[in-house]
Amino acid sequence: GAVVSQHPSWVICKSGTSVKIECRSLDFQATTMFWYRQFPKQSLMLMATSNEGSKATYEQGVEKDKFLINHASLTLSTLTVTSAHPEDSSFYICSAYGTLAGEGETQYFGPGTRLLVL
Amino acid sequence: RKEVEQDPGPFNVPEGATVAFNCTYSNSASQSFFWYRQDCRKEPKLLMSVYSSGNEDGRFTAQLNRASQYISLLNRDSKLSDSATYLCVVAMNTGFQKLVFGTGTRLLVSP
Repeated sequence: GAVVSQHPSWVICKSGTSVKIECRSLDFQATTMFWYRQFPKQSLMLMATSNEGSKATYEQGVEKDKFLINHASLTLSTLTVTSAHPEDSSFYICSAYGTLAGEGETQYFGPGTRLLVL
Repeated sequence: RKEVEQDPGPFNVPEGATVAFNCTYSNSASQSFFWYRQDCRKEPKLLMSVYSSGNEDGRFTAQLNRASQYISLLNRDSKLSDSATYLCVVAMNTGFQKLVFGTGTRLLVSP
């Protein structure tokens, strides 16, 4: 079964609104979670690394004031796209880095959130 | 230059064909290597890790050449269900895995 969940799975919103996406690790504690973005026919691009209890580390070119990340607990990270615009429409995927019972440390991906900004 | 480069395809093959996916990476400090599979509109799923000695998992064989910074994946006796995008992924182990994804190669297996 899934070990990382994302909510919502898809969002349609008007330009200028803010959208919050949740990422939860279900069977393990994840001190580190990652947020990726994927545009059509392009590769997944890492946006930021989220560490529980500390500020996120953003990749070059990603605006930290636009993409707010909160890693409130060892099982939950949220990404808020503030004042979303049509160019923010994309597939947002989170992943959680941790250890499941009987397995080594690895990165588990959530099912993704498809955002469409009108 | 992209950090991880792949032929975008698509590769159109009949069932039973053998397909070779190739990938090159630019950062010689890369430490871990993977092949992921991504179905349309889904998250990527780990297919297999790639080890220097080469490794096999069922119908898939992965090889790594560190000297030429080249990774390959061979899919033998391809099935309809193998149709997907195959992503070459490289990691810099910085205490946790920071993954760098290639654009992926799309595979279409037809009856």
